[in-house]
Amino acid sequence: EAGVTQFPSHSVIEKGQTVTLRCDPISGHDNLYWYRRVMGKEIKFLLHFVKESKQDESGMPNNRFLAERTGGTYSTLKVQPAELEDSGVYFCASSQAGANTGELFFGEGSRLTVL
Amino acid sequence: AQSVAQPEDQVNVAEGNPLTVKCTYSVSGNPYLFWYVQYPNRGLQFLLKYITGDNLVKGSYGFEAEFNKSQTSFHLKKPSALVNDSALYFCAVRDGSVRGKLIFGQGTELSVKP
Repeated sequence: EAGVTQFPSHSVIEKGQTVTLRCDPISGHDNLYWYRRVMGKEIKFLLHFVKESKQDESGMPNNRFLAERTGGTYSTLKVQPAELEDSGVYFCASSQAGANTGELFFGEGSRLTVL
Repeated sequence: AQSVAQPEDQVNVAEGNPLTVKCTYSVSGNPYLFWYVQYPNRGLQFLLKYITGDNLVKGSYGFEAEFNKSQTSFHLKKPSALVNDSALYFCAVRDGSVRGKLIFGQGTELSVKP
């Protein structure tokens, strides 16, 4: 069974540019999460999808970040325009429906460097 | 508000010695507690979790963790460390009354020397 896959693994862009990160969850997982880790700090929650609906987007830093999950399958996270402080590793995770006690399955992350 | 604290940025252990990576938490309801490990250039891997029941939970790679409700702690332990255990360890908590998100600590870098 394929795990959570993320693309790209690393992106280097200049301030003001746009970047789109993609996450393919494990097949059949309704829950999809985006997290971000800035260097040396905790992994911070960004948002949570249940199928195509945003269940919780309380962690999204500002309106430069846009997440979508059309059709309830893969998800994209767009940063536009990117700022220096957006640099970090963006993790995607998925879990089965109703799995409140279950673990999340994480992808390997997309490292974003904004110059 | 939920929170997790990992008081040590780094833990150094000699191979063969026991190791402990500390974690304390704060939640409003019953805690669901997790440990994840991140090896270099890899994603987070689930190690173990505490939901209910026995306070001592056993997980992957010989790791275990002890839930202590009075001290609100969930320390990760291993009786005999291996060099291959060197990695970044994250503690996480989910409020049992709320669906969804995990709240993570800042991570502890474990270094096991031969």
